[in-house]
Amino acid sequence: EAGVTQFPSHSVIEKGQTVTLRCDPISGHDNLYWYRRVMGKEIKFLLHFVKESKQDESGMPNNRFLAERTGGTYSTLKVQPAELEDSGVYFCASSQFLGGNEQFFGPGTRLTVL
Amino acid sequence: AQSVTQLDSQVPVFEEAPVELRCNYSSSVSVYLFWYVQYPNQGLQLLLKYLSGSTLVESINGFEAEFNKSQTSFHLRKPSVHISDTAEYFCAAYGGATNKLIFGTGTLLAVQP
Repeated sequence: EAGVTQFPSHSVIEKGQTVTLRCDPISGHDNLYWYRRVMGKEIKFLLHFVKESKQDESGMPNNRFLAERTGGTYSTLKVQPAELEDSGVYFCASSQFLGGNEQFFGPGTRLTVL
Repeated sequence: AQSVTQLDSQVPVFEEAPVELRCNYSSSVSVYLFWYVQYPNQGLQLLLKYLSGSTLVESINGFEAEFNKSQTSFHLRKPSVHISDTAEYFCAAYGGATNKLIFGTGTLLAVQP
């Protein structure tokens, strides 16, 4: 069974540019999550999809961030325009059920904004 | 506010020595608790979890964690570490109705020969 995959693994962009991160969850997992880790700090929740619907986007920093999950399969997270403080590692996770069910994480995308 | 605290950012230890990585959670989070591990250049992997039942939970590679409700702790221990245990370890709690994981800041375990 393939795990959660993320693309790209690294992205270096300049301030003001746009970047789109992609996440492919484990097949059959309705729940998809985005998290972010800014250097040296904790991994923080961004948002949660159930199929194609945003269940909770309370962790999204501001309206420069846009997440989509068309058709309830893969998800994209777009940052436009990127700012220096957006640098960090963006993790995607998926789970089959809620509650204490394990969230399976992808390897992350390291975003550097110069 | 919901929070998970890992006081130790780095723990250096010699190979074959015992280790304890500390984790405390706020009483406002649910008592579904997790330890995730991130090996160099890899993603987060679930190491072990506590949902209910026995307060002592074990992983397949010799780690164990004990849920202590009175001390709101979920410390991770291993009696004898290996070089291959070098990784960053994250304690997390399930956020209940919000369906999100709340993470600590991580502890880098550096095992030296």
